[in-house]
Parts: sequence; structure tokens; C-alpha cells
Amino acid sequence: NAGVMQNPRHLVRRRGQEARLRCSPMKGHSHVYWYRQLPEEGLKFMVYLQKENIIDESGMPKERFSAEFPKEGPSILRIQQVVRGDSAAYFCASSRPGQSSGANVLTFGAGSRLTVL
Amino acid sequence: EDQVTQSPEALRLQEGESSSLNCSYTVSGLRGLFWYRQDPGKGPEFLFTLYSAGEEKEKERLKATLTKKESFLHITAPKPEDSATYLCAVQAADSWGKLQFGAGTQVVVTP
Repeated sequence: NAGVMQNPRHLVRRRGQEARLRCSPMKGHSHVYWYRQLPEEGLKFMVYLQKENIIDESGMPKERFSAEFPKEGPSILRIQQVVRGDSAAYFCASSRPGQSSGANVLTFGAGSRLTVL
Repeated sequence: EDQVTQSPEALRLQEGESSSLNCSYTVSGLRGLFWYRQDPGKGPEFLFTLYSAGEEKEKERLKATLTKKESFLHITAPKPEDSATYLCAVQAADSWGKLQFGAGTQVVVTP
């Protein structure tokens, strides 16, 4: 079981470029979540997706950020026209559908670290 | 708004010196409270889920407890390999996957 796979692990972009981060969930998991960890801050929820559906995007910045989880292939977090403030670690997590208790145990990937020059 | 506050921010322990970490929370109905461990440069690693006040869970030297307002993570006779940042998170009753994380407690255990 390869776990949650994220790539690239490190990404450097110049201001104004686009960043694409990819996430393949654990085998058997159909729910994907993206979190952002800014330097010296805690993990912040960004978006929750199921295949071809965005379930909760309440943590996504209104502009420049988008996420998808297509029927085939990995989930993609896309950041257009990056700015220095986007420099952070972006973590993907996956889970099975909620159990009877409704609490979803999230399994996290190792993260993608974006540096904007 | 849901809030999670962890204390202390950092904790330095001698090997074998037991201690507790605190996680205070406010949430509009608790679906679950989670403890994760995060090592530098890695993603959070799941430790425990607690669902209701009075519940306790144990794993090796770690024991997590839950009340209506806070959770404690007790580290008994820690070893250097227990050094990590410990994260607490809550999932609200009306949330299906959104976790509200605290800022974490960084624990360093010295030999």
C-alpha cells in the first residue's frame, strides 16, 4: 500500500507562473482533501473533493486557486499567477467514506513544498 | 467559529520524564477529535480519534483523553523517538471531512 502520493515534493516558481500539484489517494479511498501549511502556522483546510465533485471549498481563496478530482487520474490543485504569499507546504489527504460515526480518518501525504521567488 | 488551541507551544523533556499536552476546543457539535503526529518535512501521521467525553485511547507510550471542552495527550516515559510536533484537530458535526487544526505542540525528548 503506497499511501497517499503527492508530486512534486518540491516546486519552485517565479511570481506570475502557474503551479500544479498532484495527489493520488490511497487505494480504496474515494475522498480527497487539500490543506495548506504556511510557515509557523497550523494546517488550514482548503477543499474537499470526491470523484468529479467538489463537496466543500470553503477554505479556497476566491481567486487563482482551483482543484479537481477527475474520474480518472490524480487530484490536481492549481494555483495561477503565483505570488510570494503562496509559498507553503500543501498537503493532500484521503479517506474512505464516513463510517457510522461519521468521523473521517484522514491519511496525509508527505506534502508538496511550493517556493515562489 | 470552531477553534482549537494547543498548549504549550513547545515542550522539552528528558527521556523518561512523563508529561501532558493540552488541546482546548470550541465546536458546534463534535463529530470527532483527532490527534496526529508530524515529523519535520513529513505529513501528519494519524494517532487517535476520540468521539465522546470520557473516552480514552492508548498506543504504546501515548494516551489520549477527551472531555467536553478539551483533550489531553499524555506521554509516559518518553523516548527520543517521540520527538515530533503533535497536532490536535476537530471535526464538527455538520462537516464531512473539514478538520480544524490547532497550531501544534513541538515536543523534544533528550537522552
